[in-house]
Amino acid sequence: AQSVAQPEDQVNVAEGNPLTVKCTYSVSGNPYLFWYVQYPNRGLQFLLKYITGDNLVKGSYGFEAEFNKSQTSFHLKKPSALVSDSALYFCAVRDMGSNYQLIWGAGTKLIIKP
Amino acid sequence: KAGVTQTPRYLIKTRGQQVTLSCSPISGHRSVSWYQQTPGQGLQFLFEYFSETQRNKGNFPGRFSGRQFSNSRSEMNVSTLELGDSALYLCASSLPGFYEQYFGPGTRLTVT
Repeated sequence: AQSVAQPEDQVNVAEGNPLTVKCTYSVSGNPYLFWYVQYPNRGLQFLLKYITGDNLVKGSYGFEAEFNKSQTSFHLKKPSALVSDSALYFCAVRDMGSNYQLIWGAGTKLIIKP
Repeated sequence: KAGVTQTPRYLIKTRGQQVTLSCSPISGHRSVSWYQQTPGQGLQFLFEYFSETQRNKGNFPGRFSGRQFSNSRSEMNVSTLELGDSALYLCASSLPGFYEQYFGPGTRLTVT
């Protein structure tokens, strides 16, 4: 069955440290992979995507993500966290082999402490 | 370019009533999706429309319905409201071809 897992409900990081928010997926066809961020009382904002090509993709606000086909993962990373990065992060995968359905992870709350 | 707009932004309804929410996508975007977001259930997919046709549907009861017009604007309707329908309803639009979605600010529905 198709699924997206964000194994951590919450990630705590000190400001200035690198951060990683994890995402793994299971789909039947080729995946289109996305990361979104939601700040309090706001709608979701697109951060970055992987469709094809270079496994390391760069997005908004200094975020990047690495597509790992063998591990079926698409972890979000940032070299140096800011307090303003504190938000809810969602991973989503569109299954290009099964009616193109977009499947969402449950979200990970990222807290950056000063 | 104007972003995705949703109206109304806030809504209070009584159990048993029905409600219609509206979404205007970004100009040129022909795909519109709807989501329900609650603290307990996270982001739940309702439906996806493309060129006035429902392309995908989530696991919601038949009380939840939607449609898309020829100008790509979309509406969703919830009939016979229940307390559990209280949520933030998000609309998102995207270009044809399964690209990234752009979200509106949402409609906060409270059912009393």
